[in-house]
Amino acid sequence: KQEVTQIPAALSVPEGENLVLNCSFTDSAIYNLQWFRQDPGKGLTSLLLIQSSQREQTSGRLNASLDKSSGRSTLYIAASQPGDSATYLCAVPISGNTGKLIFGQGTTLQVKP
Amino acid sequence: GAGVSQSPSNKVTEKGKDVELRCDPISGHTALYWYRQSLGQGLEFLIYFQGNSAPDKSGLPSDRFSAERTGGSVSTLTIQRTQQEDSAVYLCASSLVGQGAGEQYFGPGTRLTVT
Repeated sequence: KQEVTQIPAALSVPEGENLVLNCSFTDSAIYNLQWFRQDPGKGLTSLLLIQSSQREQTSGRLNASLDKSSGRSTLYIAASQPGDSATYLCAVPISGNTGKLIFGQGTTLQVKP
Repeated sequence: GAGVSQSPSNKVTEKGKDVELRCDPISGHTALYWYRQSLGQGLEFLIYFQGNSAPDKSGLPSDRFSAERTGGSVSTLTIQRTQQEDSAVYLCASSLVGQGAGEQYFGPGTRLTVT
C-alpha cells in the first residue's frame, strides 16, 4: 500500500532564504510525482510534475528532484518570498486502472518579510 | 485557456437534503477525478472517470454518494440525504490522459456545509 509522508509539517523562514521540502513514498513503482500548492480556502495549483524517468524538473524558482530507488522527492524553493507562503503537497498516482492520487499531509510554509 | 471550474462555490444545506455539485473539466481532458478535503484532514479520493465510465469508484464513502459524467465533459457529484459528516470541500480535477499518467489540474472546489 502506497503511503506518502512529508516532513516537516510546518516551516517558517525569513524572506530570501533557500529552502527544501521533503516528500517520501513507500512504493517506488510510480509513474510520476506531482507537487501542488494550496492557499487557504483555495483549490490546488499544480507546480511541477516529474516523470519517473526524470531526476529533476524546474519551473522558475522551483526545482523538484526525484530519487525513485530511495522513495524520495524534494522541492527546492530559491530566494523565498512572502507570496510563497502556502501549504505544499506532494502526490503520487497508484498503479492500475485508476487515476487516484495519494497525497502527503503537506508542509505549511510561512515566509516572513 | 479556461481551467477546471466548479459550481456552486459554496453550498449550505440542511441535514437530509440532496445536493448536486458540478464540475467542468478543461476542454479535451479525458480523465476526471473527484476528491474531498475535510477540515484539518488530508485529501481523500472519491471517484475516477475515463470518458463517461468510472473504472474506479472505490473512494465513494457510501451509497448515498453517486457521480456521473456526460459527453466526456461535465460531471455531477450527487449526495443524497446529506449528513453533517459530509461537510467538506469537494474538489474536482482533470487530466489529458488517465490512469495516473497525466498531470492533474484542480478546480477551486465547492465548500459544502450540512447544518
